[in-house]
Amino acid sequence: DGGITQSPKYLFRKEGQNVTLSCEQNLNHDAMYWYRQDPGQGLRLIYYSQIVNDFQKGDIAEGYSVSREKKESFPLTVTSAQKNPTAFYLCASSRDETYEQYFGPGTRLTVT
Amino acid sequence: AQSVTQLDSQVPVFEEAPVELRCNYSSSVSVYLFWYVQYPNQGLQLLLKYLSGSTLVKGINGFEAEFNKSQTSFHLRKPSVHISDTAEYFCAVTLLMNSGGYQKVTFGTGTKLQVIP
Repeated sequence: DGGITQSPKYLFRKEGQNVTLSCEQNLNHDAMYWYRQDPGQGLRLIYYSQIVNDFQKGDIAEGYSVSREKKESFPLTVTSAQKNPTAFYLCASSRDETYEQYFGPGTRLTVT
Repeated sequence: AQSVTQLDSQVPVFEEAPVELRCNYSSSVSVYLFWYVQYPNQGLQLLLKYLSGSTLVKGINGFEAEFNKSQTSFHLRKPSVHISDTAEYFCAVTLLMNSGGYQKVTFGTGTKLQVIP
């Protein structure tokens, strides 16, 4: 079955450590996205990529980095510069930016 | 910049009663409109979408939505809700610009539907 996988489901880190969240899709989609979700704030776009080896900052990119070396993969690194990294992170993909997005199950990151 | 407004952060409704979740967007150009559902600790799932054609759109799980261009609204409705409909619902909009381009999708802040037995 085609879909998006995110791993791990839960992740715990100490403050000051970088951490990388995995996102893989086998839907052959060109566009991929990373969102952060906090209670009562909906989805906020961190980074998005329309094609391999290209990506753009979203609304809250500070303290995050991404890469898009393969069409199937769009990992997100939460760096120590991110002041409040504890959140639920969602990865999504779509044929292009006008089409519906398909979401992964999410990764809940807790930094203490 | 485009924005999407979901007026109600929470909507409690009794089981088997009808429900309407409201969504308005700030634009006068062409749009693509979407409703997604999110169950606790899961990703979002597409309920329905409006790209063009009939303004009444039917989706999964008995939901439907009506695109109203004059009121810039895309309200989600279900005639009779079930306990299993308890979830958070997100409206999303993609603007199609007159220049031929488009702005990336914007999500509303979500409405939590609580179905009461």
